[in-house]
Amino acid sequence: GAVVSQHPSWVICKSGTSVKIECRSLDFQATTMFWYRQFPKQSLMLMATSNEGSKATYEQGVEKDKFLINHASLTLSTLTVTSAHPEDSSFYICSARAQQSTDFYEQYFGPGTRLTVT
Amino acid sequence: GQNIDQPTEMTATEGAIVQINCTYQTSGFNGLFWYQQHAGEAPTFLSYNVLDGLEEKGRFSSFLSRSKGYSYLLLKELQMKDSASYLCALMDSNYQLIWGAGTKLIIKP
Repeated sequence: GAVVSQHPSWVICKSGTSVKIECRSLDFQATTMFWYRQFPKQSLMLMATSNEGSKATYEQGVEKDKFLINHASLTLSTLTVTSAHPEDSSFYICSARAQQSTDFYEQYFGPGTRLTVT
Repeated sequence: GQNIDQPTEMTATEGAIVQINCTYQTSGFNGLFWYQQHAGEAPTFLSYNVLDGLEEKGRFSSFLSRSKGYSYLLLKELQMKDSASYLCALMDSNYQLIWGAGTKLIIKP
């Protein structure tokens, strides 16, 4: 099956610093990647949708200057949390949609990144 | 807009059967997904329904009625490892997933 990796799996950073999270599709080309945030005991909240080579589309209420998304290739997207604050502490999950039409509707999830801002 | 409802928590006994319901309202529909999520982990795909009826996959089955805006996930022969949250997600007219809040399933011996 399709595999998506995320790095790092967990990170602790100090308030005011920036953190970059990588999302890679390992064995398929992803036309679209999604970034989600999940707070404890809550469902996934879509932050943004990114298509390779174009600017990400952010959901309402998500600051695009704070959460920088780069989708430079069909296998890599990065999310940078700039000037992180404790309220940004969360579980960040990426998913990727395959290019092949038979898998068009299915999203493959990365294992997630636990961010703790102190 | 869209709205998805599913129970917050359910409890069942090992070896038994449990049905997790999901109701939704939407103007655009491109299918309904069920995902399993263990605590601290990312969701894993269980099923996808776009037409009415029952889809069976081993111990798990998923049902959809588009006219009623209703789906359920049926888990048979429950095992302790099935303790997890089960997320119902609707794919809207833009092919984006709209997520329910999830149902936490607790399996007791």
